[in-house]
Amino acid sequence: QQQVKQSPQSLIVQKGGISIINCAYENTAFDYFPWYQQFPGKGPALLIAIRPDVSEKKEGRFTISFNKSAKQFSLHIMDSQPGDSATYFCAASNRGGSARQLTFGSGTQLTVLP
Amino acid sequence: DTGVSQNPRHKITKRGQNVTFRCDPISEHNRLYWYRQTLGQGPEFLTYFQNEAQLEKSRLLSDRFSAERPKGSFSTLEIQRTEQGDSAMYLCASTVYGTGVSAEQFFGPGTRLTVL
Repeated sequence: QQQVKQSPQSLIVQKGGISIINCAYENTAFDYFPWYQQFPGKGPALLIAIRPDVSEKKEGRFTISFNKSAKQFSLHIMDSQPGDSATYFCAASNRGGSARQLTFGSGTQLTVLP
Repeated sequence: DTGVSQNPRHKITKRGQNVTFRCDPISEHNRLYWYRQTLGQGPEFLTYFQNEAQLEKSRLLSDRFSAERPKGSFSTLEIQRTEQGDSAMYLCASTVYGTGVSAEQFFGPGTRLTVL
């Protein structure tokens, strides 16, 4: 059962443009929503994370928007740069659970054209 | 660099052989996770350790898989009688478990397994 659905599968934007990646979750017990960035041959690295008590979190050019009622959250990358070209994964976790394992989306391959 | 390290980075084996991977977490991280990532997919949870205790195993972890963390530091993941369907990237992540601490998991670079 895919508990976190991510779209689009791939995204191509021009340098300076805005990249938007969307995720939807099913499990209402999720209460921690990180985004990970992965470059080829590397493990995922935390980019930014949000908890459901806020609707938006911004760190530099990266912003998470969170809609608890719709069970959706999205990543916005402003002023996208070629160095942002990577695969992005949304994830979710239940911090109240004992395992707190991450459930990942299927990933979005972002290409930023120079 | 004191991040999570994994060895080997790549492993090619023939079907039916046994393989073992090692993960060295960030020191003082008391929790360690194993995930599997197939091509074009996000990582999927396999199992986790709190110190040396293995507390949960996913349905994905068949009887051919075994994981250990004998002294609560490094961990090993062994796959016996490998099958072609085991081909994937095996990722290790570590974190500090406790109340009031960040839930961030730090991932290693992974071990890419190819079963011929």
